[in-house]
Amino acid sequence: DTAVSQTPKYLVTQMGNDKSIKCEQNLGHDTMYWYKQDSKKFLKIMFSYNNKELIINETVPNRFSPKSPDKAHLNLHINSLELGDSAVYFCASSRRTGSEAFFGQGTRLTVV
Amino acid sequence: AQRVTQPEKLLSVFKGAPVELKCNYSYSGSPELFWYVQYSRQRLQLLLRHISRESIKGFTADLNKGETSFHLKKPFAQEEDSAMYYCALGPYNQGGKLIFGQGTELSVKP
Repeated sequence: DTAVSQTPKYLVTQMGNDKSIKCEQNLGHDTMYWYKQDSKKFLKIMFSYNNKELIINETVPNRFSPKSPDKAHLNLHINSLELGDSAVYFCASSRRTGSEAFFGQGTRLTVV
Repeated sequence: AQRVTQPEKLLSVFKGAPVELKCNYSYSGSPELFWYVQYSRQRLQLLLRHISRESIKGFTADLNKGETSFHLKKPFAQEEDSAMYYCALGPYNQGGKLIFGQGTELSVKP
């Protein structure tokens, strides 16, 4: 019974395309996050939503737009994909801001 | 500046040897610190947090505010401990974000 699930697991696409990654959590958590893990395995937060409201936006290019239709979902839409966007994107959720974060399995995005 | 430093990118030990994964942080407030582990092809999961002062899978970590460190230790490493370990700082009142260190890959050899 997966707690935080992301789709797709792998995504290969061409430069300039627009793509979305979906995230759903069934834990009843209030807060959801997107993290980016680069090729050197460095993890950095991108966005955080609490009860569908954006509370963190960490200097991410405008091409990245998160959308939270409800508390259980936080999707990431990326416009005009660039080679440098290639990374693993992790969704996470926590019961409240600052409590333990539960991570999804990651989406490996490759831009060619 | 808020920062987490894990100086070792790779740590290789033999089974049964003690292991210490180093973590230093920079934060002016009262820190909340975590260790997350990522086993091969699995999701990142919480290993332990400093406020709980637990021992999980034989690992412990003590917060040393004087040295601004939160090193992860285990007296006898097992092969199944091989994984990527991330130290993370959760700054107070900043939306729950985690600031991760660069990660240390632990390899336990038989």
